[in-house]
Amino acid sequence: ILNVEQSPQSLHVQEGDSTNFTCSFPSSNFYALHWYRWETAKSPEALFVMTLNGDEKKKGRISATLNTKEGYSYLYIKGSQPEDSATYLCASSGSGYALNFGKGTSLLVTP
Amino acid sequence: DGGITQSPKYLFRKEGQNVTLSCEQNLNHDAMYWYRQDPGQGLRLIYYSQIVNDFQKGDIAEGYSVSREKKESFPLTVTSAQKNPTAFYLCASSGRRQLEPTLKGEQFFGPGTRLTVL
Repeated sequence: ILNVEQSPQSLHVQEGDSTNFTCSFPSSNFYALHWYRWETAKSPEALFVMTLNGDEKKKGRISATLNTKEGYSYLYIKGSQPEDSATYLCASSGSGYALNFGKGTSLLVTP
Repeated sequence: DGGITQSPKYLFRKEGQNVTLSCEQNLNHDAMYWYRQDPGQGLRLIYYSQIVNDFQKGDIAEGYSVSREKKESFPLTVTSAQKNPTAFYLCASSGRRQLEPTLKGEQFFGPGTRLTVL
């Protein structure tokens, strides 16, 4: 995998549903994996950054896991709420400073 | 408040004109970045700067220019050579990994500028 790839591209769930997204990234020259949440009319906001294989991070109802050997990360949202509606961006970094972003997963949670 | 500001929020320009987008940060970050977003695309890196008076081309630098004369400022000029300049432009900054190891290169973003070429 040369680029960061995210799936699905978009997702529509009902309030209370749990959901997850996938991020695939190049496993060579890997330093860190970042997840950002980007709400409409706001700036992207960092959710998690992970570096070690097997890392798991949690913030409220949102959690993420990292597998650096196979080059993927999952983002989980438990009990989705309408305020979780946003685009979720995944980005990887290597030895340089620049982040390589995926196209994002657009989540819509309806009451 | 510490943060990143971008101005203007909306910008209209006539075809063939150069235009400069402003980005300022007071987070004392060494590195700054410019990204472009188009519908259905991810954030694509235009230019980045790791330190004052130094900058590198990103993936789509053609038709753009930057300067980094001050740590706080990283303006982006969209020149008339940019074939398709209408897009949403985001600026970001980050601290040095060695100085802020817990952040792991996390980038902080400004609110963006939407440029429309008429």
